[in-house]
Amino acid sequence: QITLKESGPTVVKPTQTLTLTCTFSGFSLSTSGMGVGWIRQPPGKALEWLAVIYWDDDQRYGPFLKTRLTITKDTSKNEVVLTMTNMAPVDTATYYCVHTLFTMNRFDSWGQGTLVTVSS
Amino acid sequence: DIQMTQSPSSLSASVGDRVTITCRASQSIRTYLNWYQQKPGKAPKLLIYAASSLQSGVPSRFSGSGSGTDFALTINTLQPEDFATYHCQQSYSMPWTFGQGTKVEIK
Repeated sequence: QITLKESGPTVVKPTQTLTLTCTFSGFSLSTSGMGVGWIRQPPGKALEWLAVIYWDDDQRYGPFLKTRLTITKDTSKNEVVLTMTNMAPVDTATYYCVHTLFTMNRFDSWGQGTLVTVSS
Repeated sequence: DIQMTQSPSSLSASVGDRVTITCRASQSIRTYLNWYQQKPGKAPKLLIYAASSLQSGVPSRFSGSGSGTDFALTINTLQPEDFATYHCQQSYSMPWTFGQGTKVEIK
């Protein structure tokens, strides 16, 4: 059974950098084909895919936030970390960590999500 | 980027009804279309992948259809636990994109 859980600050100030950690179990990110991604959802709005990292360290980003995002993995700890620089109030959202498979591109397991509020 | 447009944005239905939600892509995505269900305060859950394949554990009253640019999610015999928001997502090309969601409410 795959489980994922997000952790990080619930409030950040404008211009600060957000660091979120996804801790997962039930699979290994060293196994061929495995991937972990991040998706966010502003309150009452649509889902937005942010980034994904694969077992081979291939990293992909959504175009609008690409310059602000970095995704990394620590296979030994079963963790994936997302950093987002220069946070603004419009970045207030629930951030989800998800499991995906290379070439499948669907999100078959989700973390519970973590609400991040950007406010001074 | 491929734009995904769902309709309607919301609908009201009764238990036992048959409900259909549609999703249109801005270009052909063949059958690279997934559907998710999201209940209030919860994470989305994968229901349908590759346009018509039922994810393991999902009740058979859910079905998906379509190819190219036009897709549909049908819920036969709506149950109380089906009142939720439904999202489509294209997995044809990056960046992967979602529809704006369709909220299914109790009439």
